Amino acid sequence: SAVISQKPSRDICQRGTSLTIQCQVDSQVTMMFWYRQQPGQSLTLIATANQGSEATYESGFVIDKFPISRPNLTFSTLTVSNMSPEDSSIYLCSVETWDRGRPEAFFGQGTRLTVV
Amino acid sequence: GQSLEQPSEVTAVEGAIVQINCTYQTSGFYGLSWYQQHDGGAPTFLSYNALDGLEETGRFSSFLSRSDSYGYLLLQELQMKDSASYFCAVHGGSQGNLIFGKGTKLSVKP
Repeated sequence: SAVISQKPSRDICQRGTSLTIQCQVDSQVTMMFWYRQQPGQSLTLIATANQGSEATYESGFVIDKFPISRPNLTFSTLTVSNMSPEDSSIYLCSVETWDRGRPEAFFGQGTRLTVV
Repeated sequence: GQSLEQPSEVTAVEGAIVQINCTYQTSGFYGLSWYQQHDGGAPTFLSYNALDGLEETGRFSSFLSRSDSYGYLLLQELQMKDSASYFCAVHGGSQGNLIFGKGTKLSVKP
C-alpha cells in the first residue's frame, strides 16, 4: 500500500498566476502520476513523472503549462502555470503498487483549484 | 482512439444487487480495474481482473471477458454507504497509467 500526502487541499487563485501542488509518498516509487478531474467527471491523466528524467505528458498537456518536478522517489510537484478559469478542477497525484500480480493505484486527497 | 463506456447513473434500494457494466476499446490492455469514489474523496481501489472470469471480494465481485472487451462490477447487499461513483479503468501496460471510464454514479435509496 501507499499513503500520499497532497497539498494544498484547495485554493482560489487569480488568473495569470501559478500554483504548485505537492505530493509526498510514504514509500519509494518509480513513477508518480498526475490526473485532473472536473467535479462529477472522469479522471484524465496529465503526465507521468519518473525520478531523474523528464515527465511524459499526455496529448493536450504541455510542459510549459504543467511543469513537473520529481527530485526523489517519494516526492513530486505539479505547477499549474498562467492559470485561467478553464484550469479550475481537481488535481490528483497517484502512485501504483503491485501485490500478488495485482496493480493498485493510490491517490492523494486532491487539490480543488478555483481560478477567478 | 481509446474509450471506456459505462452507464452514467444507476439507482437501487438497500439490500438489492446492482451490476455496472463497462465496455472498453483501448490500444493496450493488461487488465480492468474498478475504483470507488465518494463525493469529495479520492478514488479507492476495489478490484482488478487480468484474466477472464469472476473475482469476488466480499460483497463486491468483478467480471471480465477479454474476447468481448467487457467487464462488470457486481455489488450485493447494497448499503447506503455504497452511494458513490464507480469507475472502470483499463491498465494499459507497464507504465502503470490508468485510462478511466466516465464513471457511474450509484445512488442507494432506503
